[in-house]
Amino acid sequence: GIQVEQSPPDLILQEGANSTLRCNFSDSVNNLQWFHQNPWGQLINLFYIPSGTKQNGRLSATTVATERYSLLYISSSQTTDSGVYFCAVRDLNYGQNFVFGPGTRLSVLP
Amino acid sequence: GAVVSQHPSRVICKSGTSVKIECRSLDFQATTMFWYRQFPKQSLMLMATSNEGSKATYEQGVEKDKFLINHASLTLSTLTVTSAHPEDSSFYICSAREVATSGYWNTGELFFGEGSRLTVL
Repeated sequence: GIQVEQSPPDLILQEGANSTLRCNFSDSVNNLQWFHQNPWGQLINLFYIPSGTKQNGRLSATTVATERYSLLYISSSQTTDSGVYFCAVRDLNYGQNFVFGPGTRLSVLP
Repeated sequence: GAVVSQHPSRVICKSGTSVKIECRSLDFQATTMFWYRQFPKQSLMLMATSNEGSKATYEQGVEKDKFLINHASLTLSTLTVTSAHPEDSSFYICSAREVATSGYWNTGELFFGEGSRLTVL
């Protein structure tokens, strides 16, 4: 099946800093989503981005499907951005399921 | 975006009892729902795919008799942990996919419930 990697595994930022999170995947996909899991466990949809670039406030994402990676940009980070960021992809050859990466754990310090 | 509601959010039970967790899609119909399990500081592990009106498809290593899944309607799937033991303690999360199509492929976005934290004493 498809393999999904995320980097870095852990990231500590000072409030106000910018960061880039990366998701690499090993095969063609037709879906890709970024999620933020908050400290209470809730998974919040950030972007549905199988290709191209999207922006939502301080967050933006870019997926280059042909090169099998996606980037999540966080600008002017806030303490509420802390949590785990997951990317999930859907393998064209693997049916309906999304495969999750291991996540990037972000801590934003005041 | 679409809303998926999961209940209960937290449950504590005695060893040997059964626990039912509900997952509802509130504003869309979901022919397929997914159940995940998450251990502390780890990623989500797919347990099973729940299909409305048919049997669930379980991932390798997941005991279907231990984790009973029922998808009785287009908006409700349930996970029952039978004869729960302390090793079943975990965070269980359901998700549902909004159906959309792009040509041949079904490309709907995935939405998650709030999760249910199960503690078995």
